[in-house]
Amino acid sequence: EAQVTQNPRYLITVTGKKLTVTCSQNMNHEYMSWYRQDPGLGLRQIYYSMNVEVTDKGDVPEGYKVSRKEKRNFPLILESPSPNQTSLYFCASSLWGLTDTQYFGPGTRLTVL
Amino acid sequence: AQKITQTQPGMFVQEKEAVTLDCTYDTSDQSYGLFWYKQPSSGEMIFLIYQGSYDEQNATEGRYSLNFQKARKSANLVISASQLGDSAMYFCAMSAYGGSQGNLIFGKGTKLSVKP
Repeated sequence: EAQVTQNPRYLITVTGKKLTVTCSQNMNHEYMSWYRQDPGLGLRQIYYSMNVEVTDKGDVPEGYKVSRKEKRNFPLILESPSPNQTSLYFCASSLWGLTDTQYFGPGTRLTVL
Repeated sequence: AQKITQTQPGMFVQEKEAVTLDCTYDTSDQSYGLFWYKQPSSGEMIFLIYQGSYDEQNATEGRYSLNFQKARKSANLVISASQLGDSAMYFCAMSAYGGSQGNLIFGKGTKLSVKP
């Protein structure tokens, strides 16, 4: 089944404890992206990647890192999480870019205490 | 700066009727794309429809159509023959190809409720 998977789906952590949210797609897509969703603010793009080894900042990259060492994986890294990073995170992928259908992962609900 | 505005926080529609969700955008780029996504209460994001800035005809996908008025910078979503399963949050989004080819900006969403 073609899909985007994210792990973990739910995570409660404490301030300053490094964490990684994994994202993987099995559709051989070139484009991958991370978003966060907060009440009243909609979705905001954190980082995106047009292909392997190419990443770029979205609207809210501060406090996040990403890597794209292989086509299928695009992990989101929070080196020192803070409470303002408590949010719902989505990973998405599409074949080439934003004119193609974007497939979203199921979301990761992160709480930073 | 690029911006997407959805002025309707919430809307109601009777089942089987058509409904229009408003979206206006602001960009100085000549090449851009406009998207609509649906987010049911279960939380997943579902791509609905795409319109390129150079597309002369309005995009359609089944019961969804995008009413694209370039001069007015509007990209309204029209859902025909509403169904109970259409109850969800709907987000309008825009990408710009001139500079950041991968950057996608979302509006704050409209919550649609379909009444039986």
